[in-house]
Amino acid sequence: SQTIHQWPATLVQPVGSPLSLECTVEGTSNPNLYWYRQAAGRGLQLLFYSVGIGQISSEVPQNLSASRPQDRQFILSSKKLLLSDSGFYLCAWSQGDTMTDEQYFGPGTRLTVT
Amino acid sequence: GNSVTQMEGPVTLSEEAFLTINCTYTATGYPSLFWYVQYPGEGLQLLLKATKADDKGSNKGFEATYRKETTSFHLEKGSVQVSDSAVYFCALSGSLGSGNTGKLIFGQGTTLQVKP
Repeated sequence: SQTIHQWPATLVQPVGSPLSLECTVEGTSNPNLYWYRQAAGRGLQLLFYSVGIGQISSEVPQNLSASRPQDRQFILSSKKLLLSDSGFYLCAWSQGDTMTDEQYFGPGTRLTVT
Repeated sequence: GNSVTQMEGPVTLSEEAFLTINCTYTATGYPSLFWYVQYPGEGLQLLLKATKADDKGSNKGFEATYRKETTSFHLEKGSVQVSDSAVYFCALSGSLGSGNTGKLIFGQGTTLQVKP
């Protein structure tokens, strides 16, 4: 069966510090991968998605970047965090080689920028 | 563009009450529709889905019918439990040829609180 992992689970970082969040998927190959942000009390905003190694599409201009160095690894980064980067970050995957649309989410990372 | 609108919450019900959470959508083509549930502090879990008009998705006593004529996908449950307290998200996926295949568009979420 497939599983998706995210770490860390929680993170408190000062403004201006760098960020690296990691997401890995097990039990599947060539998945589509997604990063979402969920601000407090709000819906989900798609930040990045990737259909393959090294292929990243950005949905909104922002202070963040994403990379996919391996087939089942997706990393969200920032060089200098802003207060507005606080939120709950969710990674998700979907099957890349079928037209099945559902996405499967990781447990999330709670980021607080102070 | 594609969009999803959910009823605003929070929705507060007593245990065993009937639940309806409204969801309407705007989309080109024939998207798939989903309901996800998020329990406190956790990621989202797929609750149910429907892939074409008049399909009924169901799971754990929840159900929703894909109504193309009213562009709706309302979530219902006949008798809610305290353990159903969570945030519920309606979502749609881009249809073939729309350029959005594989992406999900989410509603804002509706918080459900069930009291004993």
